[in-house]
Amino acid sequence: DAGVIQSPRHEVTEMGQEVTLRCKPISGHDYLFWYRQTMMRGLELLIYFNNNVPIDDSGMPEDRFSAKMPNASFSTLKIQPSEPRDSAVYFCASSLIAAGTEAFFGQGTRLTVV
Amino acid sequence: GENVEQHPSTLSVQEGDSAVIKCTYSDSASNYFPWYKQELGKRPQLIIDIRSNVGEKKDQRIAVTLNKTAKHFSLHITETQPEDSAVYFCAASYSGGGADGLTFGKGTHLIIQP
Repeated sequence: DAGVIQSPRHEVTEMGQEVTLRCKPISGHDYLFWYRQTMMRGLELLIYFNNNVPIDDSGMPEDRFSAKMPNASFSTLKIQPSEPRDSAVYFCASSLIAAGTEAFFGQGTRLTVV
Repeated sequence: GENVEQHPSTLSVQEGDSAVIKCTYSDSASNYFPWYKQELGKRPQLIIDIRSNVGEKKDQRIAVTLNKTAKHFSLHITETQPEDSAVYFCAASYSGGGADGLTFGKGTHLIIQP
């Protein structure tokens, strides 16, 4: 398996534009997590899915953020409209179970909103 | 929810010396404590983990200790080498039913001085 795959690796967009980040988890992993990483706040859990169903979205900062997982091999994180303070590295991770085992991270998407 | 505090935020040691990073957690139900290493521009990757039924675990030059009574755990790196330079994150979670995924500390930037 190629591991968790995220796209794009880098995204630069103007304030107010819609941004869509994509993730392909490791095959067979039932859990998928979206994290945001900034210098100030570290690694923050935004939302996670179990078997394609959103379980906890309490970390999603605002209604401008939404996430979907239409099938076991694909998830998206959307920001609409984007703002400069959304600039961060967004990681997707997957694991066999919610906790108690390794979470495998993708390479991340570095988002810059200007 | 769980809260994980990590110290220090930056640690500089001479090559060959030992490094210790400490974390505390708030939820007494947490029973899984992994440590992730993140090199500059890369994804976080698991280096060692410990479960609440043991007090210490070693893997070559790295070791983790856990004190459940005090709710703290530590990462120990001996005989540090230049390739140990990275940001290290501790995390805590409950791995039973209803697990919510990992809560991360804010990270420690470890610098190995030649």
